[in-house]
Amino acid sequence: QKEVEQDPGPLSVPEGAIVSLNCTYSNSAFQYFMWYRQYSRKGPELLMYTYSSGNKEDGRFTAQVDKSSKYISLFIRDSQPSDSATYLCAMTGQGGSEKLVFGKGTKLTVNP
Amino acid sequence: ETGVTQSPTHLIKTRGQQVTLRCSSQSGHNTVSWYQQALGQGPQFIFQYYREEENGRGNFPPRFSGLQFPNYSSELNVNALELDDSALYLCASSLTSGVFGEQYFGPGTRLTVT
Repeated sequence: QKEVEQDPGPLSVPEGAIVSLNCTYSNSAFQYFMWYRQYSRKGPELLMYTYSSGNKEDGRFTAQVDKSSKYISLFIRDSQPSDSATYLCAMTGQGGSEKLVFGKGTKLTVNP
Repeated sequence: ETGVTQSPTHLIKTRGQQVTLRCSSQSGHNTVSWYQQALGQGPQFIFQYYREEENGRGNFPPRFSGLQFPNYSSELNVNALELDDSALYLCASSLTSGVFGEQYFGPGTRLTVT
């Protein structure tokens, strides 16, 4: 079993839709949970991070972590064509600066 | 822009050759991590350097080695290249200070091994 599982999609939605992206994980030591966005031919950029369980909102983006279920989600409201990218979940341990363990990424296309 | 640069952008090598990839971190960042991203996969951790010492290594063989320099630059060296080494190589710099340190990624070097 991989440490982090993420449905690679691809996912195609109309503009304005609510997008839900998810990852599951198996390592209980993970404490920091991140979502990265990666445009084609670019490096990943950090969208949001959450420490331990709970929700975090930043504009149109909401990250949720449920440690009891080992399940994390990213919701994108009012999706825009500029949101079209690959979304990667990533996790790391207590220190927060160790290696990141990534999911495979979900390729999202938002159609105008 | 993250302030992290990598060179070269693209590289084509032959199986068995050696390659050196370079990264310039954000000024002040004391930690650099290297990742390998195969096509259609998430990045995989290769190793991390903190203040010029290796500070953690992923499941990669010893022919993957690195260096970090005091001027916030670093290198990834790969010997005896194999076809499976074809991937995007990403470096990420961060400031390790006991709390969460965001890793800022460069644009990557795309390596093709033929």
